[in-house]
Amino acid sequence: ELQLLESGGGLVQPGGSLRLSCATSGFTFSNYAMSWVRQAPGKGLEWVSAISGSGVSTYYADSVKGRFTISRDKSKNTLYLQMNSLRAEDTAVYYCAKDLGFCGADCYTYFDYWGQGTLVTVSS
Amino acid sequence: DIQMTQSPSSVSASVGDRVTITCRASQGISSWLAWYQQKPGRAPKVLIHAASSLQSGVPSRFSGSGSGTDFTLTISSLQPEDFATYYCQQANSIPLTFGGGTKVEIK
Repeated sequence: ELQLLESGGGLVQPGGSLRLSCATSGFTFSNYAMSWVRQAPGKGLEWVSAISGSGVSTYYADSVKGRFTISRDKSKNTLYLQMNSLRAEDTAVYYCAKDLGFCGADCYTYFDYWGQGTLVTVSS
Repeated sequence: DIQMTQSPSSVSASVGDRVTITCRASQGISSWLAWYQQKPGRAPKVLIHAASSLQSGVPSRFSGSGSGTDFTLTISSLQPEDFATYYCQQANSIPLTFGGGTKVEIK
């Protein structure tokens, strides 16, 4: 069974850092691009970042560029999101999401599996 | 960035009703569009990808159509488990962007 399990969320002060993890199983991790998508309380979905199957290519939303870093560890089948210089507006549930693989491992399309989400709260 | 505009933002409907949700892209995206369903406290679930391809396991009462800038999601006969929020998402270019959502509520 394919599973995505996020961890690492919590309460952090403005300007602080957190690292989110997404442990995966049930599929060949390096064959698929992965993304982080967030949802502020009571709001819609916002794509945050994506990484190719190899990990060579990464992409970011303008709202997090220069502050967040996405990475993946093939040996652990795990996706990461390092979040620095956190702001109140980063408060959200963060989901990791697997790409459908519509056009290969360096192709960013639709999300067929999602984790359960981890809540990040940025507040003093 | 490509902006995705959904309408309506909410709709009240009864079990058995036909419901149509529209999504408009700020520029042409060919058929690079997906539809998701999200229930409170749960992760989104993909219903349709490539504008009209039904995801495996999704009931056939869901259908998608459109290309270019205008797209629709239709639920042919609303069921109790369909009351949720629906989002469109474009995959034509990075950054991937979502519509603002349409909440389907019980009339």
